[in-house]
Amino acid sequence: GEDVEQSLFLSVREGDSSVINCTYTDSSSTYLYWYKQEPGAGLQLLTYIFSNMDMKQDQRLTVLLNKKDKHLSLRIADTQTGDSAIYFCAESIIPDTGFQKLVFGTGTRLLVSP
Amino acid sequence: DGGITQSPKYLFRKEGQNVTLSCEQNLNHDAMYWYRQDPGQGLRLIYYSQIVNDFQKGDIAEGYSVSREKKESFPLTVTSAQKNPTAFYLCASSIAASNYEQYFGPGTRLTVT
Repeated sequence: GEDVEQSLFLSVREGDSSVINCTYTDSSSTYLYWYKQEPGAGLQLLTYIFSNMDMKQDQRLTVLLNKKDKHLSLRIADTQTGDSAIYFCAESIIPDTGFQKLVFGTGTRLLVSP
Repeated sequence: DGGITQSPKYLFRKEGQNVTLSCEQNLNHDAMYWYRQDPGQGLRLIYYSQIVNDFQKGDIAEGYSVSREKKESFPLTVTSAQKNPTAFYLCASSIAASNYEQYFGPGTRLTVT
């Protein structure tokens, strides 16, 4: 089945690290994505990881993938107030049609306080 | 600048009326998608198109229709048959429909009363 779960809310202080977690169910996922959505806006691709990797670092962002547990996390170092947004995890599934389907989690609202 | 545009940003309609949401991209992407977002929920796929003159139903296509007559354009019509049309609608595109990241437009918030 296709299901992606995230906690709904995370609150941190400016300067701390934030860790947003995601679990998924489809073991055939090829890519896993993190998107950021600011209020009233579309989704912005933050980073992605291929399923044969277990870590990817991109400036303040670190993605960890535990394929055995189907667990994905996004760590934001030195979190800033501008990081306040909703963060979506998405798994990529390619069924027989060859069309890549993205299955999104419910999103985690990150609130960064000064 | 390359990107995806959606218009209008806010749209208000009376119940029983069809309404068409615009989505245009100048990224030369083959694949385009329409998603619906409801509060506290993830995005759900309405329709997608892998190439011009071709489109397929997604997970929640009932009450919606699309066309793909040009590569750059993928308009979505919300018909009166859609029971709960009030939502935030997001259009996306990708280089191809297989295994490439999707880029999103700014969205259209539709309110039907």
